[in-house]
Amino acid sequence: DTGVSQDPRHKITKRGQNVTFRCDPISEHNRLYWYRQTLGQGPEFLTYFQNEAQLEKSRLLSDRFSAERPKGSFSTLEIQRTEQGDSAMYLCASSLGLAGLTGELFFGEGSRLTVL
Amino acid sequence: TQLLEQSPQFLSIQEGENLTVYCNSSSVFSSLQWYRQEPGEGPVLLVTVVTGGEVKKLKRLTFQFGDARKDSSLHITAAQPGDTGLYLCAARSGTYKYIFGTGTRLKVLA
Repeated sequence: DTGVSQDPRHKITKRGQNVTFRCDPISEHNRLYWYRQTLGQGPEFLTYFQNEAQLEKSRLLSDRFSAERPKGSFSTLEIQRTEQGDSAMYLCASSLGLAGLTGELFFGEGSRLTVL
Repeated sequence: TQLLEQSPQFLSIQEGENLTVYCNSSSVFSSLQWYRQEPGEGPVLLVTVVTGGEVKKLKRLTFQFGDARKDSSLHITAAQPGDTGLYLCAARSGTYKYIFGTGTRLKVLA
């Protein structure tokens, strides 16, 4: 396993279209996170999964955003009716959630979304 | 809303200079992490500090966790162009959620 992989790396779409991003975490990691990052800023938390359960969803995530992790392995993040303000880098991270560990996040290279 | 404020936001220095980056919060954290992110890549963990007052060194990088576990600093000695990147502090908020700071973009000129 070479790490967290995200697909696609780049996506250009027109306003109003739907887009879907996929994240494949490190295989033994039970925790998976989605973050959004705009240029030069720190990542903003969007949502988190422990195995297949989505345990928290940020208030930043409008109803147009949905994330799934159906079998506790890969995850998808879908944005419906995209808006120009959705343009950002979408980062996925995974970690091995064990009690007592401080928890390193392993990030993918991100999916960059441009909404025209 | 970010709860971790970093300063400075941007820093451009000459090779060989020293610098310090700060991460501040009004909240107490059980641990704090520092990541470095290079263009087109995801952040990569540099260090985790756990105990108030803890100091950790990673080659030319020195990390300190504040006594009250509300703040942290990253000091780089004799900066090199390879240190260029976005430096991020991060802390666990609650049981499992990690929040990130506003970031410090460092550029080291040769």
